[in-house]
Amino acid sequence: GENVEQHPSTLSVQEGDSAVIKCTYSDSASNYFPWYKQELGKRPQLIIDIRSNVGEKKDQRIAVTLNKTAKHFSLHITETQPEDSAVYFCAATPQYGNKLVFGAGTILRVKS
Amino acid sequence: NAGVTQTPKFQVLKTGQSMTLQCAQDMNHEYMSWYRQDPGMGLRLIHYSVGAGITDQGEVPNGYNVSRSTTEDFPLRLLSAAPSQTSVYFCATQAASYEQYFGPGTRLTVT
Repeated sequence: GENVEQHPSTLSVQEGDSAVIKCTYSDSASNYFPWYKQELGKRPQLIIDIRSNVGEKKDQRIAVTLNKTAKHFSLHITETQPEDSAVYFCAATPQYGNKLVFGAGTILRVKS
Repeated sequence: NAGVTQTPKFQVLKTGQSMTLQCAQDMNHEYMSWYRQDPGMGLRLIHYSVGAGITDQGEVPNGYNVSRSTTEDFPLRLLSAAPSQTSVYFCATQAASYEQYFGPGTRLTVT
């Protein structure tokens, strides 16, 4: 089955700096890669996703890149703000959304 | 639109007790799933359903049962609670765009 590893487990950046979180996956058939943000005590919410036929996707300050050959994908947040502080989860699945396998999460702290 | 709702929000059980976590949605999504979230382990899939009458196991199904008699409801049953089942449980639905919408969660403690 699919296995997703996420690094780093914690990340501290200064406000205005960029943050990068990386994930690797094991199943070469995986075709859908979402990123979720979870604030303390809240439910996870989708912030961006990418499908296997796309190499990069941007949404304002957030971007995701996918390298299918190396089986890794990354989340990039530019111009970080204190409200970006949260836990971020990557996930992957070979079944277009079904049976998502999540990484262990990255705690992002943005210091002002 | 309530979206995805879960009850109860908090629950304390003694070892060996049984209970049902409720999940309901008004988004008319066919796919529903249950996850548990433990510190440092992300979200792990317990069971999922691709439509009424169809359920299947995820990564960590042992100790849990589900049923899906309607599109709207997807209850999760703990047959005989164990301390290892102490966790936060999230129910989720999936839209046609593949985005998953999570409920607010149930925090379960088994003593």
